[in-house]
Amino acid sequence: IAGITQAPTSQILAAGRRMTLRCTQDMRHNAMYWYRQDLGLGLRLIHYSNTAGTTGKGEVPDGYSVSRANTDDFPLTLASAVPSQTSVYFCASSESGATGHYEQYFGPGTRLTVT
Amino acid sequence: GQNIDQPTEMTATEGAIVQINCTYQTSGFNGLFWYQQHAGEAPTFLSYNVLDGLEEKGRFSSFLSRSKGYSYLLLKELQMKDSASYLCAVKDSNYQLIWGAGTKLIIKP
Repeated sequence: IAGITQAPTSQILAAGRRMTLRCTQDMRHNAMYWYRQDLGLGLRLIHYSNTAGTTGKGEVPDGYSVSRANTDDFPLTLASAVPSQTSVYFCASSESGATGHYEQYFGPGTRLTVT
Repeated sequence: GQNIDQPTEMTATEGAIVQINCTYQTSGFNGLFWYQQHAGEAPTFLSYNVLDGLEEKGRFSSFLSRSKGYSYLLLKELQMKDSASYLCAVKDSNYQLIWGAGTKLIIKP
């Protein structure tokens, strides 16, 4: 692995179903993020984690949950999917979640359609 | 509220110069980033400004004026591969990135 991987690449999901999007990084970055990207809107932060064992809510956390059991993995779970969660989901990581020039590195994204 | 404004779309000619503007109103400022995103791909980092002035990196330069809440990305000697969306993002007082909707740049031969 080099960088950040996400799985699945794309998914069609029935409303009401539970779904976990996977994200793994091999750069030993402390901070990780989940964004959604919708047409005409900027990337919106769903949840973040500044270090393993801690998580925080972003701009649009409702309907989503995350965990950070170790440095490398940061899964995003939709407990009961709704059509408004149709989007492209990007996972990202950076060396630090706070100060300084630490650019975020992005995974290839998961395209999710909720029907 | 927090707001990042960029033009939705711009068109330029191969070999020319283009300037993509970004204005921001955020709760605090801890740096401004520019990212490039090709269609169907992930964003990739281009530049970072935290102090006023111009940062040059090859064909790309980025300018910041904190007093005006303004930045621009300057692309010189445009190539067809520069056709992409360019995203402006500001790190706010909570050290979270606030993203603009992006500017789609179309390069014509």
